[in-house]
Amino acid sequence: VQLVQSGSELKKPGASVKISCEASGYNFHSHFMIWVRQAPGQGFEWMGWINTITGVPFYAQAFTGRFVFSVDTSVNTAYLQISSLKAEDTAIYYCARAPKWLETDYWYFDLWGRGTQVTVSP
Amino acid sequence: QSVLTQPPSVSAAPGQTVTISCSGSSSNIGRSYVSWYQHLPGTAPKLLIYDDDNVVSGIPDRFSGSKYGTSATLDITGLQTGDEGYYFCGTWDRDLSARVFGGGTQVTVL
Repeated sequence: VQLVQSGSELKKPGASVKISCEASGYNFHSHFMIWVRQAPGQGFEWMGWINTITGVPFYAQAFTGRFVFSVDTSVNTAYLQISSLKAEDTAIYYCARAPKWLETDYWYFDLWGRGTQVTVSP
Repeated sequence: QSVLTQPPSVSAAPGQTVTISCSGSSSNIGRSYVSWYQHLPGTAPKLLIYDDDNVVSGIPDRFSGSKYGTSATLDITGLQTGDEGYYFCGTWDRDLSARVFGGGTQVTVL
């Protein structure tokens, strides 16, 4: 049972990046997928989540516009795409699964990816 | 600046106990369940505690969680060198309609 994330990315400002998070060892549809990021020297920041059955995303307020969550259920993979990259997007991005049978008040994240480093530099 | 407040670091000798606090408010810890995570260098974060005080299966009972009011606590007893790492708390904030996390605490075994 694991979430395997794609490798590190080095991008220039204004470019786009698409990070993948492949699930294995469990029923992909049994959980939602969340995304969080950790900027250098900072704590974890909630980005939002996606319903792995319907593909409907829910974004935290700070992550609307340039950030897009998607899923491809044929390959049990969730994606995070970031467009118009800025220096402040430099961070490690993590996916994790959330129990879809629970209300958000009860959520916990029992399986995480190892993170994808995104560096935005001229 | 994290919504939940944790001490930046704690340290203790092997075999001793460390306590990590996670302070919030009535809109988050005060009304939602807290979970705790361990993040060791180069690894995926690991869930230790969920629903305030439930220890995940397979996690040593040296780890325990509790909550009182708007604060939660993670205790690690019988500290071991393998426990060195970063620990953070998380819960749902109803006012923000978002998951919130603590800033994380670095545990050092002296």
